[in-house]
Order: sequence, then structure tokens, then C-alpha cells
Amino acid sequence: DAKTTQPNSMESNEEEPVHLPCNHSTISGTDYIHWYRQLPSQGPEYVIHGLTSNVNNRMASLAIAEDRKSSTLILHRATLRDAAVYYCILRDNQAAGNKLTFGGGTRVLVKP
Amino acid sequence: GAGVSQSPRYKVAKRGQDVALRCDPISGHVSLFWYQQALGQGPEFLTYFQNEAQLDKSGLPSDRFFAERPEGSVSTLKIQRTQQEDSAVYLCASSSDRIYEQFFGPGTRLTVL
Repeated sequence: DAKTTQPNSMESNEEEPVHLPCNHSTISGTDYIHWYRQLPSQGPEYVIHGLTSNVNNRMASLAIAEDRKSSTLILHRATLRDAAVYYCILRDNQAAGNKLTFGGGTRVLVKP
Repeated sequence: GAGVSQSPRYKVAKRGQDVALRCDPISGHVSLFWYQQALGQGPEFLTYFQNEAQLDKSGLPSDRFFAERPEGSVSTLKIQRTQQEDSAVYLCASSSDRIYEQFFGPGTRLTVL
């Protein structure tokens, strides 16, 4: 499985944007970029995914570099409920089973 | 609708005991996954079912771990002769034909004394 690299932790102030970087220099052409987050004492939850183009949904935006070797998850206005561990994951669209390979993730702290 | 549920939420076992962890996926979801999450780590894949067929069990750490999904809905992860290193949160996830999104349950925290 292709590997992703994320900072261990980031801090943000409430109602400010948060930019979470992810490096995936060994990404292949069939890899989708997925983001999940895990709130304390809960299972992970899907945030967003993309292949080449930037993506927006109600939770966040995903900006993908033109060479696809890095991406950034953007939380537009952080709230205290956004405090979680955010995982950047590459999923091979051609692989059977679609299992997720999690790394260590980025722990986001939101200060009031 | 109801999400993925897991039971029990907490389990304490003595070393050497057998345990069984249950997962109720979202109704109609074809795919079911089990993950193991050690303290402070990201989840690690254990096994995958498509309906009742176990298509990938490459992540099961030893032959003490066994999973089944006999009717293609509820799944059970069984751990025989538990060891202290089995202490972790065991997460279950399911997905439909919208294969890009997995829905996770709250997990079962297993503590082996």
C-alpha cells in the first residue's frame, strides 16, 4: 500500500480555518485520496475523497496538488467539535476489498 | 437509520480466555471489515467479508483470531486463548456498493489481564 506522511499534531483557534497537509509521493494512478477523522472514543468517520480534482462537501474541502504527490484537507471554520485525529489514506481503486490502511494521522486541537 | 453497532462495548478477559465480539452492520451493506486499534495508533485491517464470503484475512495476527459472517449480515470476531497483546479496540465497518465510504461502529474495547 502506498504510504502517506502527516504531521503528528496541529493546533487551531475556534472559527479559524485549518489546513491539514498530507504527502503521498509514491501515489499511483489508480489511488484515490481519502480522509477520515476519529473523534475521541468513537470509530472513524468519512470526511471526503478525491482523485485529481479539488473536492468540496459540507464537512471540508480537499485540495490536490497537480502532480498528486500531496494534498491538503481544509476545514473552513474549525469548531470545538472538529477536535479529532485526521487520517489521510490512499485507496487503490483496482484492489479488491477496499480495505483502508491508516497511518498515525494528525491530531487536531481546537482552542476556544 | 441505525448505524453500525458493536457489542459488548467493553470486555475484560483473563489471559487464556476466549472472547467473541459482535458486529451488526448497516442493513443491506454487502461489505464488512474488522480493524484492530492499539492505544495511540491508527486502526489496522484484520479481515474483510463480501456477503458471507471472507475474501481477505491477511491482517489476522495469528490463528487464534477467527471471524465469521454466516448469513451475510451479523459478524463475529472470535479470539481464542487471549493474550495481553490482544488488548485493543476492535472496530467493525460496513459499506454498500458506494464503495468509497466505510461506516464504522463505536468499537469494542478489549482488555486482557
